[in-house]
Amino acid sequence: QVQLVQSGAEVKKPGSSVKVSCKASGGTFNNYAISWVRQAPGQGLEWMGGIVPIFGSAKFTQKFQGRLTITADESRSTVYMELSSLGPEDTAVYYCARDWRRYCNGTSCHFYFLGMDVWGQGTTVLVSS
Amino acid sequence: SYELTQSPSVSVSPGQTARITCSADGLSKKYAYWYQQKPGQAPVLVIYKDSERPSGIPERFSGSTSGTIVTLTISGVQAEDEADYYCQSADSSGTYGMFGGGTKLTVL
Repeated sequence: QVQLVQSGAEVKKPGSSVKVSCKASGGTFNNYAISWVRQAPGQGLEWMGGIVPIFGSAKFTQKFQGRLTITADESRSTVYMELSSLGPEDTAVYYCARDWRRYCNGTSCHFYFLGMDVWGQGTTVLVSS
Repeated sequence: SYELTQSPSVSVSPGQTARITCSADGLSKKYAYWYQQKPGQAPVLVIYKDSERPSGIPERFSGSTSGTIVTLTISGVQAEDEADYYCQSADSSGTYGMFGGGTKLTVL
């Protein structure tokens, strides 16, 4: 079974950057995509972006364009989320989650969205001066 | 713009049926997904592709869709079902990045 383990809590100054890791164990790293979802205190879930490690290409919601970087290191089965130019409004719990799944039939492979079925434990990022 | 709208709260007594709705306004609706989140915990997927139930999710959880309204139904609600529930769907590009605002289910 796939498990996702995230790096620990961070305290950052406004204007700085934070990099959170999400290490996968179990399963085959290249057979799924990873998304990042954040949750501000007392608020709902907000999708930030995601990456398909086998392709290395990331997709982001427009809100974070320009200050969000998502990368994958296949050798470490780890996905990274880096958010720059932090402000107090970025204080939140950041989750990684598995979503798109790859299924192959012979030489033909396709990705299917079956929901975010495996989640990391969450990483608290506090932005404060 | 495309939005998913949920009522903020639903209250039911134990053993009753809870229905949580999610309205998809705007662009065409893709499949809907539902997540349960208890305080201090990561969300848990309880329904995928409108009405499918992942392994390990109790049968009392079910999903349905009618037009642009998707519904999560919890039959025979138990105290442990008290949580926030979020719907999720995709925009026209197929990006599953839309979450509803969440519904707090209170078991009286």
